[in-house]
Amino acid sequence: DTGVSQNPRHKITKRGQNVTFRCDPISEHNRLYWYRQTLGQGPEFLTYFQNEAQLEKSRLLSDRFSAERPKGSFSTLEIQRTEQGDSAMYLCASSLSVEAFFGQGTRLTVV
Amino acid sequence: GQQLNQSPQSMFILEGEDVSMNCTSSSIFNTWLWYKQDPGEGPVLLIALYKAGELTSNGRLTAQFGITRKDSFLNISASIPSDVGIYFCAGQLNSGNEKLTFGTGTRLTIIP
Repeated sequence: DTGVSQNPRHKITKRGQNVTFRCDPISEHNRLYWYRQTLGQGPEFLTYFQNEAQLEKSRLLSDRFSAERPKGSFSTLEIQRTEQGDSAMYLCASSLSVEAFFGQGTRLTVV
Repeated sequence: GQQLNQSPQSMFILEGEDVSMNCTSSSIFNTWLWYKQDPGEGPVLLIALYKAGELTSNGRLTAQFGITRKDSFLNISASIPSDVGIYFCAGQLNSGNEKLTFGTGTRLTIIP
């Protein structure tokens, strides 16, 4: 399967713990995006990389959130000191141009 | 964050019927995309529209990019059970500003 891969698919964590998610994009795609989706809503943009450069960050991405794409391939999204409001589906997408292809997402539940 | 307005919010239709949904924005977009999302999965790209007024088909799906660049619609003809899901529109402003702004979604339920 050469689609966008996200790990883990599900994560349950206690409030205050740190979590890290991984995204492996489609191999030839130089653009990588992170989105967050809460129940009943459409995905909301968090951040965007072109190769290893992080070009845009949403105001939704608080100081507790950090994303990296060190070699321009896979990316990680870390949330420090998780809060219950962080519970959501975290989606990764990649593209060569306009058409973005999404992974299956990581569902985070903070208890 | 901003979300585009989609209508209807939900639809209940009989198998075999046609479906129509639309998406409106207060601001202009230069590209419109339509995605379908099943429960617990990521969105899957259905159709991309690049030019105002463009009408594009993909099998039983037809989508149009509105002339004002502030709206788009999606039609599904002869619905089948696997069409069930949530349909999202998404707008992209322009090259160099790659993020997508998504709609609020239309939930489609098909009655066999």
